Amino acid sequence: SQTIHQWPATLVQPVGSPLSLECTVEGTSNPNLYWYRQAAGRGLQLLFYSVGIGQISSEVPQNLSASRPQDRQFILSSKKLLLSDSGFYLCAWGQDGGNTIYFGEGSWLTVV
Amino acid sequence: AQSVTQLGSHVSVSEGALVLLRCNYSSSVPPYLFWYVQYPNQGLQLLLKYTTGATLVKGINGFEAEFKKSETSFHLTKPSAHMSDAAEYFCAVSSYTGGFKTIFGAGTRLFVKA
Repeated sequence: SQTIHQWPATLVQPVGSPLSLECTVEGTSNPNLYWYRQAAGRGLQLLFYSVGIGQISSEVPQNLSASRPQDRQFILSSKKLLLSDSGFYLCAWGQDGGNTIYFGEGSWLTVV
Repeated sequence: AQSVTQLGSHVSVSEGALVLLRCNYSSSVPPYLFWYVQYPNQGLQLLLKYTTGATLVKGINGFEAEFKKSETSFHLTKPSAHMSDAAEYFCAVSSYTGGFKTIFGAGTRLFVKA
């Protein structure tokens, strides 16, 4: 069966520091991968999605970037964090050609 | 373009009462529709989905939803609420644009009173 993991689960970072959140999927190949952000009391905002290695689509202009160095690895990064980057970040995956996505456990980021 | 509107950011019901969470969508192509549930500090769990075929879809934990194309709605119901149903619920719509992209509503927090 397929599993998805993301880490770290919780992160407290100062303003201006870099960020790296990592997500990996097991038990499938060539998945579609997604990063969402959930701000406090708000819905989910799609940040990035990827249909293959090195293929990244950005949904909103922002202070973040994403990379997919391997088939089942998806990384969310920032060079300099802003206070507004605080939130709950969720990685998700879907089968290649599939219409359903499945979420990881989420990562809480607090920028102080 | 797709969008999802969930009516009511908070819904409160008594234990044993009917649960009704409303969702309307907008999509330029036939949509795939989903409901997810999120418990505190956790990721989202798929409750049910509509892709094609029967418009009444049954999911886990006794929930079901009905796709009504004429009303562009996909409301979530459960005949009898349980305390363990207290969580946040998200409606979502997906379509293919070089890969499936899923857009979520703002969420509805369900409170269940004893």
